[in-house]
Amino acid sequence: DAGVTQSPTHLIKTRGQQVTLRCSPKSGHDTVSWYQQALGQGPQFIFQYYEEEERQRGNFPDRFSGHQFPNYSSELNVNALLLGDSALYLCASSLVSYQETQYFGPGTRLLVL
Amino acid sequence: QKEVEQNSGPLSVPEGAIASLNCTYSDRGSQSFFWYRQYSGKSPELIMSIYSNGDKEDGRFTAQLNKASQYVSLLIRDSQPSDSATYLCAVQTGTASKLTFGTGTRLQVTL
Repeated sequence: DAGVTQSPTHLIKTRGQQVTLRCSPKSGHDTVSWYQQALGQGPQFIFQYYEEEERQRGNFPDRFSGHQFPNYSSELNVNALLLGDSALYLCASSLVSYQETQYFGPGTRLLVL
Repeated sequence: QKEVEQNSGPLSVPEGAIASLNCTYSDRGSQSFFWYRQYSGKSPELIMSIYSNGDKEDGRFTAQLNKASQYVSLLIRDSQPSDSATYLCAVQTGTASKLTFGTGTRLQVTL
């Protein structure tokens, strides 16, 4: 049973650039959530996609956008990168239900120089 | 007031002892509670979920929930050096499945 996969594992960008991160959910899951985890902090919710629609969004600027594809995989796009965007970006997948359990992928570590 | 609060630690316990990790949350509408373990440089790994008041046991791990006190805890019995990690408490509210995390408690199990 394939777990959640993310690509790339590491990425280095410069300020002002744009980045796209990718996530494939666990087999059988239909919902993808994205989180940002800064060093020493807990993950912060960015947004969640279900049925190719953004279902909920956290307190992140519009520079952060996403997409979900018909096969449930998802992308996170960040435009106009800032130094403060350097973090571990985590994708979590779940199956929509009353008590959803989210399983995390390995993450993408983004460094903005 | 933070939505989910944890003591950042480090919490140091000797091998074989019981480690007790605590978490408080502010939203009384919270319905689902999770403990994740995160090793340094890795992603969070689900350990336990709990939805009802009381205790839930899984192997060496016991999660405890008290909704009246807005308190959830994780007990690790017979702590092993491999348990040394950061433990993240996460809370889910209502039908939306966004997880709100605490900052995590770093646990060190010493030989």
